[in-house]
Amino acid sequence: QKEVEQDPGPLSVPEGAIVSLNCTYSNSAFQYFMWYRQYSRKGPELLMYTYSSGNKEDGRFTAQVDKSSKYISLFIRDSQPSDSATYLCAMSASNYQLIWGAGTKLIIKP
Amino acid sequence: DARVTQTPRHKVTEMGQEVTMRCQPILGHNTVFWYRQTMMQGLELLAYFRNRAPLDDSGMPKDRFSAEMPDATLATLKIQPSEPRDSAVYFCASANRDSPHRTQYFGPGTRLTVL
Repeated sequence: QKEVEQDPGPLSVPEGAIVSLNCTYSNSAFQYFMWYRQYSRKGPELLMYTYSSGNKEDGRFTAQVDKSSKYISLFIRDSQPSDSATYLCAMSASNYQLIWGAGTKLIIKP
Repeated sequence: DARVTQTPRHKVTEMGQEVTMRCQPILGHNTVFWYRQTMMQGLELLAYFRNRAPLDDSGMPKDRFSAEMPDATLATLKIQPSEPRDSAVYFCASANRDSPHRTQYFGPGTRLTVL
């Protein structure tokens, strides 16, 4: 079993819908949680960062961490075709090595 | 606009040839990572450096891969000899060890094809 599980999708939703992307993990030592977005033929770019539990909001994006359930989520409101990309979750304990999910391919249909 | 740069962006070579990929981390970042990405395996960590010293290269096939950081502005990843199974996108990422965050900033990648 992988330390971080993420459904590879693809997840296809209509424009304007609320998108929910999720990762589960097994290592209770993880404290730092990140979401990266990767467009086709580009490098991953940092989207959201959270430390420990709780919510963080940035524009149309909300990241949630539930450490008791070992579950993290990324919500995208008012989804746009430009949000079509692969979304990777990543997490870390006390060192700087990130453990990555497989990535979920998201398709927003106009 | 601080960003990680990588060269070359694309490389096509024949099996058995040496391949060298270069990375310039963001100025002031003291931790550098090399990743390989394929459809089958996703993102795999090959090696990482802190203050130019290798900290972990357990993800790298030792017999053919080598990674170095000759100075703070240059990291290199070499494959010798290259094999078709090495075909992938290789990413370099850098991070600031002194930041409370653990975020890594990625370069655009080198797309390697070994024929």
